[in-house]
Amino acid sequence: GAVVSQHPSRVICKSGTSVKIECRSLDFQATTMFWYRQFPKKSLMLMATSNEGSKATYEQGVEKDKFLINHASLTLSTLTVTSAHPEDSSFYICSARSYTRGEQFFGPGTRLTVL
Amino acid sequence: GNSVTQMEGPVTLSEEAFLTINCTYTATGYPSLFWYVQYPGEGLQLLLKATKADDKGSNKGFEATYRKETTSFHLEKGSVQVSDSAVYFCALLNAGGTSYGKLTFGQGTILTVHP
Repeated sequence: GAVVSQHPSRVICKSGTSVKIECRSLDFQATTMFWYRQFPKKSLMLMATSNEGSKATYEQGVEKDKFLINHASLTLSTLTVTSAHPEDSSFYICSARSYTRGEQFFGPGTRLTVL
Repeated sequence: GNSVTQMEGPVTLSEEAFLTINCTYTATGYPSLFWYVQYPGEGLQLLLKATKADDKGSNKGFEATYRKETTSFHLEKGSVQVSDSAVYFCALLNAGGTSYGKLTFGQGTILTVHP
């Protein structure tokens, strides 16, 4: 149990386009989902925390208008990278926190490459 | 704020060698402590955890003890295998303040095990 999926696993897009990444909790309800960004050989940087049905809370330095987060249901959160640029290329990982178990479960990550 | 510091990597070992990856933390309150493992191209998997002082987390031959007096949570394994090659992250779950419920990660330690 406690499986989190991400889609797509890998995406390549042109500069200026928008990309949507989905994060789903497959077998539990996630009241809170987190979005992280990981640079090569670096640790995870928390970008934002999203609670179902409310606006996401962004960490300092993260542009909320560039990284749009929607958490429309207890099993789905989406991250949209708007007007993507090459510097947005990164590995994006989501995690979902189970209300009943309290711990975070991580998705497999999405590799975004912006040309 | 809270922080986690891991030993610098990369760590390269021969199969069956003893492994120690040091982790120390700074935190207010009483955080829970975690070790996560990330295999190439994948997301994070929980390896083990400890929720209070003197607790020992263990899984797949790995162990770590929550030492409040030294604010440490060092990861150990008596005999590593090639399949243990991965990146290991120490993390704490913030127990209070504005970061309540969020994970703070160390910088990660790359482990490579040779046959």
